Amino acid sequence: DTAVSQTPKYLVTQMGNDKSIKCEQNLGHDTMYWYKQDSKKFLKIMFSYNNKELIINETVPNRFSPKSPDKAHLNLHINSLELGDSAVYFCASSQMTGGFAEQYFGPGTRLTVT
Amino acid sequence: AQTVTQSQPEMSVQEAETVTLSCTYDTSENNYYLFWYKQPPSRQMILVIRQEAYKQQNATENRFSVNFQKAAKSFSLKISDSQLGDTAMYFCAFTSKTSYDKVIFGPGTSLSVIP
Repeated sequence: DTAVSQTPKYLVTQMGNDKSIKCEQNLGHDTMYWYKQDSKKFLKIMFSYNNKELIINETVPNRFSPKSPDKAHLNLHINSLELGDSAVYFCASSQMTGGFAEQYFGPGTRLTVT
Repeated sequence: AQTVTQSQPEMSVQEAETVTLSCTYDTSENNYYLFWYKQPPSRQMILVIRQEAYKQQNATENRFSVNFQKAAKSFSLKISDSQLGDTAMYFCAFTSKTSYDKVIFGPGTSLSVIP
């Protein structure tokens, strides 16, 4: 059983298009995240939601809009895609209570903008 | 602001040998967690080991162990009896008890295990 799943795993699209990436976790966690990993493998947090509420919004262009319909889902919508958006996007989840902060990652979505 | 530094962008080790990956961090907090994550070529991020700052004892998971030096803000990972499957990027990460929602990752160390 997959703990954190993302769809799609690969996404190739042209500049200017709008695309979405979906994420679901079946771990019962209360917090979900989106990370961006660039071509140099640097991993940076973009957004974090706790119980559907946005709690972290790093310096990310407003073309990126996360949406959390419920605790188990966190989607990422990207408008007007640019070449620089090409990266691997990871969804992750964790349980903030209980003194344990391990994050469980999805398999990643490789986005290529041409 | 918290930062995590990994000073070795690339390392290699012979199969069955031992290798140590370095990590230093900067924080003014006293209660926090430290992690090592592994990212093999499959790109899946996998937790290798975790350490709670208030615990003096170094964490160990099978062939993986850490050397946690709180005063020096150092958190190195030792891999014993290296295996080909250990070839991966290794990321050191930090989160504080006051901000579980934000994990700071280091830039990573690319480890190659040579047969």
